[in-house]
Amino acid sequence: NAGVTQTPKFRVLKTGQSMTLLCAQDMNHEYMYWYRQDPGMGLRLIHYSVGEGTTAKGEVPDGYNVSRLKKQNFLLGLESAAPSQTSVYFCASSSKSSSSEAFFGQGTRLTVV
Amino acid sequence: LAKTTQPISMDSYEGQEVNITCSHNNIATNDYITWYQQFPSQGPRFIIQGYKTKVTNEVASLFIPADRKSSTLSLPRVSLSDTAVYYCLVGVRNTGGFKTIFGAGTRLFVKA
Repeated sequence: NAGVTQTPKFRVLKTGQSMTLLCAQDMNHEYMYWYRQDPGMGLRLIHYSVGEGTTAKGEVPDGYNVSRLKKQNFLLGLESAAPSQTSVYFCASSSKSSSSEAFFGQGTRLTVV
Repeated sequence: LAKTTQPISMDSYEGQEVNITCSHNNIATNDYITWYQQFPSQGPRFIIQGYKTKVTNEVASLFIPADRKSSTLSLPRVSLSDTAVYYCLVGVRNTGGFKTIFGAGTRLFVKA
């Protein structure tokens, strides 16, 4: 079972460049999320989606955009990367019936220089 | 969203039982208590969830007193592979998705 798959696993960007992180889940979950985790800290919610075609802001949405055109995919975009966005990004998904049991991907380590 | 407080770190030895206590004084009536485990370079993994009294699964037990202002995650006979960060989360279970706040967690270090 693949579960939640994130692409890519590592990326180095120059300040001002753009990129898209892809998250795919094969569990038919309604809810999907993007978190970031900085060294020694817990996870902070960037954006989330409660269904195909819908997105909402989390705790730290500035500098990021998301899209959920298909139920199984949730994309996180950085339009103009900044060093402050250097972090590990985690995607997660959960079902509507048990939304607090989330399944996380392996993470994407992003460095902005 | 209820805030949680848990120890920053704990040390233990292989074979011992480890209890990690989390306090959540402002827990709401509809809130559930959920614990996650995170290994280095991996995403968090769901361990256990409960509302009141005691819940047990193949990995851990969760003890919740009657006032629900705290909870204790119990890991029986830990091994080196249980070295990880453990997060206590409080939030509504089925409404609006998993928007629970993650704190810094408790870093458990198991020694041989």
